[in-house]
Amino acid sequence: AQSVTQPDIHITVSEGASLELRCNYSYGATPYLFWYVQSPGQGLQLLLKYFSGDTLVQGIKGFEAEFKRSQSSFNLRKPSVHWSDAAEYFCAVGAKRDDKIIFGKGTRLHILP
Amino acid sequence: DARVTQTPRHKVTEMGQEVTMRCQPILGHNTVFWYRQTMMQGLELLAYFRNRAPLDDSGMPKDRFSAEMPDATLATLKIQPSEPRDSAVYFCASGTVGTQYFGPGTRLLVL
Repeated sequence: AQSVTQPDIHITVSEGASLELRCNYSYGATPYLFWYVQSPGQGLQLLLKYFSGDTLVQGIKGFEAEFKRSQSSFNLRKPSVHWSDAAEYFCAVGAKRDDKIIFGKGTRLHILP
Repeated sequence: DARVTQTPRHKVTEMGQEVTMRCQPILGHNTVFWYRQTMMQGLELLAYFRNRAPLDDSGMPKDRFSAEMPDATLATLKIQPSEPRDSAVYFCASGTVGTQYFGPGTRLLVL
């Protein structure tokens, strides 16, 4: 069965600092991987996804993520965070395209001015 | 800009009452998902459909929850009877080419 672990429940960074949010997955084959962001009171918005090919994936809002099969990881990065990036971030894994995906518990990002 | 719409956005009801939540998926999307989000459990998949046919509802309490797609423009999630533990935010998402687009959610409070 697929599973996703986001080890950090909360992360606090200063505005302008770099960011890395961790995600580890468990799945036997090549997974479909996603990062979503949820602002307070909103639905989830897709930041980026990995299906195959280049293991470094670029997304919206300046985010990128790197798929590392050897580490079963799909960490999200941003070189310089903005106050508007404060939100909850969810990593998710799926077995097939257009099939159900399993979400991690989320990491809440706080930004210090 | 096509979006998933959900109604109602907020619902307060008393224990034992029926609750119906509606979702209008994005036109042309062939998969529809229902999720429940709580602080304790996070995001849980309740059920999903492809081309209006139910594929998996194993995440749903069968005795009280039901999900249907009467047509391609409407998905419904019903709870009967509702219980306080059903209080949560319920999201609908529609999907195509491997991407799910989420609605704004229905915030349900069962007293």
